Amino acid sequence: AQKVTQAQTEISVVEKEDVTLDCVYETRDTTYYLFWYKQPPSGELVFLIRRNSFDEQNEISGRYSWNFQKSTSSFNFTITASQVVDSAVYFCALISGAGSYQLTFGKGTKLSVIP
Amino acid sequence: KAGVTQTPRYLIKTRGQQVTLSCSPISGHRSVSWYQQTPGQGLQFLFEYFSETQRNKGNFPGRFSGRQFSNSRSEMNVSTLELGDSALYLCATNTAGGPSGTDTQYFGPGTRLTVL
Repeated sequence: AQKVTQAQTEISVVEKEDVTLDCVYETRDTTYYLFWYKQPPSGELVFLIRRNSFDEQNEISGRYSWNFQKSTSSFNFTITASQVVDSAVYFCALISGAGSYQLTFGKGTKLSVIP
Repeated sequence: KAGVTQTPRYLIKTRGQQVTLSCSPISGHRSVSWYQQTPGQGLQFLFEYFSETQRNKGNFPGRFSGRQFSNSRSEMNVSTLELGDSALYLCATNTAGGPSGTDTQYFGPGTRLTVL
Protein backbone atom coordinates (compact mmCIF):
# COMPACT_ATOMS: atom_id res chain seq x y z
CA ALA A 1 0.00 0.00 0.00
CA GLN A 2 1.11 3.54 -0.59
CA LYS A 3 1.11 6.44 1.80
CA VAL A 4 1.99 10.13 1.77
CA THR A 5 2.81 12.01 4.94
CA GLN A 6 2.86 15.77 5.28
CA ALA A 7 3.85 16.30 8.88
CA GLN A 8 3.32 20.06 8.84
CA THR A 9 -0.35 20.83 9.28
CA GLU A 10 -0.07 24.61 9.24
CA ILE A 11 2.77 27.03 8.59
CA SER A 12 2.78 30.81 8.90
CA VAL A 13 5.50 32.96 7.44
CA VAL A 14 6.00 36.65 6.89
CA GLU A 15 6.01 37.83 3.31
CA LYS A 16 9.38 37.47 1.54
CA GLU A 17 10.52 34.66 3.83
CA ASP A 18 11.46 31.31 2.32
CA VAL A 19 9.39 28.29 3.33
CA THR A 20 9.81 24.55 2.80
CA LEU A 21 6.92 22.11 2.81
CA ASP A 22 7.85 18.54 3.66
CA CYS A 23 6.54 15.38 2.02
CA VAL A 24 7.49 11.79 2.79
CA TYR A 25 6.07 8.92 0.76
CA GLU A 26 5.87 5.15 1.05
CA THR A 27 5.49 2.68 -1.78
CA ARG A 28 6.78 -0.76 -2.67
CA ASP A 29 6.71 -0.07 -6.40
CA THR A 30 9.90 0.85 -8.21
CA THR A 31 7.98 2.99 -10.69
CA TYR A 32 5.95 5.78 -9.21
CA TYR A 33 5.08 9.42 -9.73
CA LEU A 34 5.00 12.27 -7.26
CA PHE A 35 2.96 15.43 -7.51
CA TRP A 36 2.36 18.72 -5.75
CA TYR A 37 -0.97 20.48 -5.97
CA LYS A 38 -2.06 23.85 -4.57
CA GLN A 39 -5.60 24.43 -3.30
CA PRO A 40 -6.52 28.09 -2.88
CA PRO A 41 -9.67 29.05 -0.93
CA SER A 42 -11.72 28.67 -4.11
CA GLY A 43 -11.29 24.91 -3.78
CA GLU A 44 -9.86 23.92 -7.13
CA LEU A 45 -6.67 21.85 -7.02
CA VAL A 46 -4.00 23.45 -9.17
CA PHE A 47 -1.22 21.24 -10.53
CA LEU A 48 2.31 22.45 -9.73
CA ILE A 49 4.74 19.67 -10.61
CA ARG A 50 5.10 15.97 -11.48
CA ARG A 51 8.19 13.86 -10.88
CA ASN A 52 8.83 10.21 -11.79
CA SER A 53 10.84 7.80 -9.69
CA PHE A 54 13.66 7.62 -12.21
CA ASP A 55 14.40 11.31 -12.20
CA GLU A 56 15.94 12.64 -9.02
CA GLN A 57 17.03 15.88 -10.59
CA ASN A 58 15.87 18.84 -8.58
CA GLU A 59 13.74 21.38 -10.33
CA ILE A 60 13.33 25.11 -10.08
CA SER A 61 10.48 27.08 -11.57
CA GLY A 62 10.56 30.74 -10.72
CA ARG A 63 10.17 31.05 -6.95
CA TYR A 64 9.31 27.35 -6.61
CA SER A 65 11.81 24.54 -6.24
CA TRP A 66 11.50 20.84 -5.49
CA ASN A 67 13.97 18.48 -3.86
CA PHE A 68 13.38 14.79 -4.60
CA GLN A 69 15.49 12.30 -2.62
CA LYS A 70 14.79 8.59 -3.05
CA SER A 71 17.19 7.70 -0.24
CA THR A 72 14.91 9.40 2.28
CA SER A 73 11.65 8.95 0.30
CA SER A 74 11.10 12.67 0.39
CA PHE A 75 9.82 15.20 -2.12
CA ASN A 76 10.05 18.61 -0.49
CA PHE A 77 8.78 21.88 -1.91
CA THR A 78 10.36 25.28 -1.29
CA ILE A 79 8.88 28.68 -2.00
CA THR A 80 11.46 31.45 -2.13
CA ALA A 81 10.51 35.01 -1.19
CA SER A 82 6.93 34.02 -0.33
CA GLN A 83 4.04 36.25 -1.32
CA VAL A 84 0.53 36.64 0.06
CA VAL A 85 -0.83 34.96 -3.07
CA ASP A 86 1.03 31.81 -2.06
CA SER A 87 -1.38 31.36 0.85
CA ALA A 88 -3.19 28.08 0.20
CA VAL A 89 -3.25 24.44 1.17
CA TYR A 90 -0.54 22.42 -0.54
CA PHE A 91 -0.91 18.71 -1.20
CA CYS A 92 1.73 16.17 -2.03
CA ALA A 93 0.43 13.12 -3.90
CA LEU A 94 1.62 9.79 -5.24
CA ILE A 95 0.65 7.44 -8.06
CA SER A 96 2.21 3.99 -7.93
CA GLY A 97 1.45 0.63 -9.45
CA ALA A 98 1.08 -0.29 -13.07
CA GLY A 99 -2.05 0.98 -14.74
CA SER A 100 -3.23 3.04 -11.79
CA TYR A 101 -4.42 6.59 -12.11
CA GLN A 102 -5.31 6.79 -8.44
CA LEU A 103 -3.70 9.67 -6.61
CA THR A 104 -2.90 9.07 -2.95
CA PHE A 105 -2.79 12.41 -1.19
CA GLY A 106 -1.16 13.62 1.98
CA LYS A 107 -3.30 15.53 4.46
CA GLY A 108 -2.02 18.84 3.15
CA THR A 109 -0.11 21.76 4.62
CA LYS A 110 -1.92 25.06 5.08
CA LEU A 111 0.43 27.91 4.30
CA SER A 112 -0.39 31.41 5.48
CA VAL A 113 1.78 34.24 4.23
CA ILE A 114 1.37 37.32 6.37
CA PRO A 115 1.96 40.73 4.77
CA LYS B 1 -8.77 25.35 -23.88
CA ALA B 2 -11.63 25.23 -21.41
CA GLY B 3 -10.86 23.63 -18.06
CA VAL B 4 -12.65 20.86 -16.23
CA THR B 5 -16.27 21.78 -15.53
CA GLN B 6 -18.29 20.49 -12.63
CA THR B 7 -21.99 21.07 -12.04
CA PRO B 8 -23.63 22.02 -9.86
CA ARG B 9 -21.14 23.93 -7.73
CA TYR B 10 -23.24 23.74 -4.60
CA LEU B 11 -25.93 21.34 -3.44
CA ILE B 12 -27.98 21.00 -0.31
CA LYS B 13 -29.81 17.74 0.28
CA THR B 14 -31.43 15.95 3.18
CA ARG B 15 -30.64 12.53 4.56
CA GLY B 16 -32.03 9.68 2.52
CA GLN B 17 -32.14 11.59 -0.75
CA GLN B 18 -29.93 10.85 -3.71
CA VAL B 19 -27.75 13.19 -5.73
CA THR B 20 -26.07 13.24 -9.14
CA LEU B 21 -22.96 15.27 -9.86
CA SER B 22 -21.55 15.96 -13.30
CA CYS B 23 -18.03 16.42 -14.64
CA SER B 24 -17.10 17.56 -18.15
CA PRO B 25 -13.44 16.94 -18.95
CA ILE B 26 -10.99 19.06 -20.85
CA SER B 27 -11.32 18.43 -24.59
CA GLY B 28 -9.30 15.34 -25.52
CA HIS B 29 -9.18 13.98 -21.97
CA ARG B 30 -10.54 10.47 -21.81
CA SER B 31 -10.02 9.51 -18.18
CA VAL B 32 -12.14 10.92 -15.37
CA SER B 33 -11.48 10.31 -11.69
CA TRP B 34 -13.58 11.34 -8.71
CA TYR B 35 -12.35 12.31 -5.24
CA GLN B 36 -14.08 13.14 -1.99
CA GLN B 37 -12.56 15.78 0.25
CA THR B 38 -13.57 16.12 3.91
CA PRO B 39 -11.83 17.85 6.82
CA GLY B 40 -11.43 14.57 8.66
CA GLN B 41 -10.41 12.15 5.94
CA GLY B 42 -8.78 14.51 3.47
CA LEU B 43 -8.79 13.67 -0.22
CA GLN B 44 -9.92 10.16 -0.98
CA PHE B 45 -10.18 8.41 -4.33
CA LEU B 46 -13.66 7.24 -5.31
CA PHE B 47 -13.30 5.77 -8.81
CA GLU B 48 -11.84 6.27 -12.26
CA TYR B 49 -13.46 5.85 -15.65
CA PHE B 50 -11.95 5.41 -19.08
CA SER B 51 -13.82 4.63 -22.30
CA GLU B 52 -17.08 4.29 -20.37
CA THR B 53 -15.59 1.59 -18.12
CA GLN B 54 -14.69 1.80 -14.47
CA ARG B 55 -11.00 0.93 -14.21
CA ASN B 56 -10.27 1.60 -10.57
CA LYS B 57 -12.39 1.88 -7.48
CA GLY B 58 -11.62 3.22 -4.03
CA ASN B 59 -12.88 1.98 -0.71
CA PHE B 60 -16.36 3.47 -0.65
CA PRO B 61 -19.73 1.77 -0.11
CA GLY B 62 -21.95 0.79 -3.02
CA ARG B 63 -24.09 3.90 -2.46
CA PHE B 64 -21.43 5.70 -4.45
CA SER B 65 -21.56 4.94 -8.14
CA GLY B 66 -20.57 6.54 -11.38
CA ARG B 67 -20.65 6.30 -15.11
CA GLN B 68 -19.00 7.77 -18.14
CA PHE B 69 -20.59 8.66 -21.44
CA SER B 70 -19.20 8.29 -24.95
CA ASN B 71 -18.15 11.96 -24.97
CA SER B 72 -16.07 11.29 -21.82
CA ARG B 73 -18.39 13.29 -19.57
CA SER B 74 -18.90 11.57 -16.25
CA GLU B 75 -21.52 11.52 -13.54
CA MET B 76 -21.37 10.23 -10.03
CA ASN B 77 -24.37 9.31 -7.97
CA VAL B 78 -24.76 8.99 -4.23
CA SER B 79 -27.90 7.26 -3.04
CA THR B 80 -29.45 7.28 0.42
CA LEU B 81 -27.42 10.26 1.54
CA GLU B 82 -25.93 10.31 5.03
CA LEU B 83 -24.68 13.28 7.04
CA GLY B 84 -21.13 12.03 6.56
CA ASP B 85 -21.43 12.41 2.79
CA SER B 86 -21.16 16.18 3.19
CA ALA B 87 -17.97 17.00 1.34
CA LEU B 88 -16.32 18.67 -1.60
CA TYR B 89 -16.44 16.31 -4.56
CA LEU B 90 -13.69 16.87 -7.08
CA CYS B 91 -13.21 15.34 -10.46
CA ALA B 92 -9.89 15.11 -12.27
CA THR B 93 -9.30 14.39 -15.93
CA ASN B 94 -6.34 13.43 -18.05
CA THR B 95 -5.59 12.23 -21.56
CA ALA B 96 -4.77 8.68 -20.41
CA GLY B 97 -2.54 8.51 -23.45
CA GLY B 98 0.39 6.93 -21.67
CA PRO B 99 1.32 4.81 -18.67
CA SER B 100 -0.24 5.77 -15.40
CA GLY B 101 1.25 8.84 -13.83
CA THR B 102 2.78 10.21 -16.99
CA ASP B 103 -0.31 12.26 -17.71
CA THR B 104 -1.08 15.12 -15.42
CA GLN B 105 -4.50 15.08 -13.85
CA TYR B 106 -6.32 18.39 -13.93
CA PHE B 107 -9.00 19.10 -11.39
CA GLY B 108 -12.31 20.86 -11.63
CA PRO B 109 -13.58 23.42 -9.10
CA GLY B 110 -15.60 20.80 -7.25
CA THR B 111 -19.18 20.39 -6.09
CA ARG B 112 -19.78 21.19 -2.45
CA LEU B 113 -22.48 18.87 -1.12
CA THR B 114 -24.17 19.57 2.19
CA VAL B 115 -26.41 16.90 3.68
CA LEU B 116 -28.84 18.08 6.35
